[in-house]
Amino acid sequence: QVQLVESGGGAVQPGRSLRLSCAASGFTFNIYGMHWVRQAPGKGLEWVAVIWYDGSNKYHADSVKGRFTVSRDNSKNTLYLQMNSLRADDTAVYYCARDRTSAGTTLDYWGQGTLVTVSS
Amino acid sequence: IQMTQSPSSLSASVGDRVTITCQASQDISDYLNWYQQKPGRAPKLLIYDASNLATGVPSRFSGSGSGTDFTFSINSLQPEDIATYYCQQYNIPALTFGGGTKVEIK
Repeated sequence: QVQLVESGGGAVQPGRSLRLSCAASGFTFNIYGMHWVRQAPGKGLEWVAVIWYDGSNKYHADSVKGRFTVSRDNSKNTLYLQMNSLRADDTAVYYCARDRTSAGTTLDYWGQGTLVTVSS
Repeated sequence: IQMTQSPSSLSASVGDRVTITCQASQDISDYLNWYQQKPGRAPKLLIYDASNLATGVPSRFSGSGSGTDFTFSINSLQPEDIATYYCQQYNIPALTFGGGTKVEIK
């Protein structure tokens, strides 16, 4: 069965960096696009980034562009999110999700999320 | 592309038909999905490409629409349907979610 397990979350001070990981299993990782989506406490869902199946295309939301970078290692079945220059409004649960396609359209499986708290 | 979802919350009785709407700020064809999120849980895909039921989703859930106006319905609300529902457009490369609709039992 499809499993996505996020890790790397925690408490960090403003301006610092953090790298999230998402370990995938139960499917052929290298043929699917992958996403990061976040949810601030008590708020709605916000799409963060997508990376296509082979890493050839990656796109980021305007709110994180220039600070966050999505990447993947298909040899390790792992998705990453490098987060730099963190701000208080980046505080959220971060979910990784698989796309139904090789690109980025529809999120059909989700991990349970990892909490990132940015505070001094 | 902005997605305007309404209402933001609703209360209905078990067995009622519930309808949620989502309006896109520009034409997105049928590039529209619906998700369910129960408290403390990850979201779950219910409907993709505006009207297609995802695998294993009960047939009381349905979606329709194209262009800018979309509708999501629950035919005969059940207690386990208590959740927040989100629409999401994929006029790629950027994706955006609607603000969500919290569904409660009256």
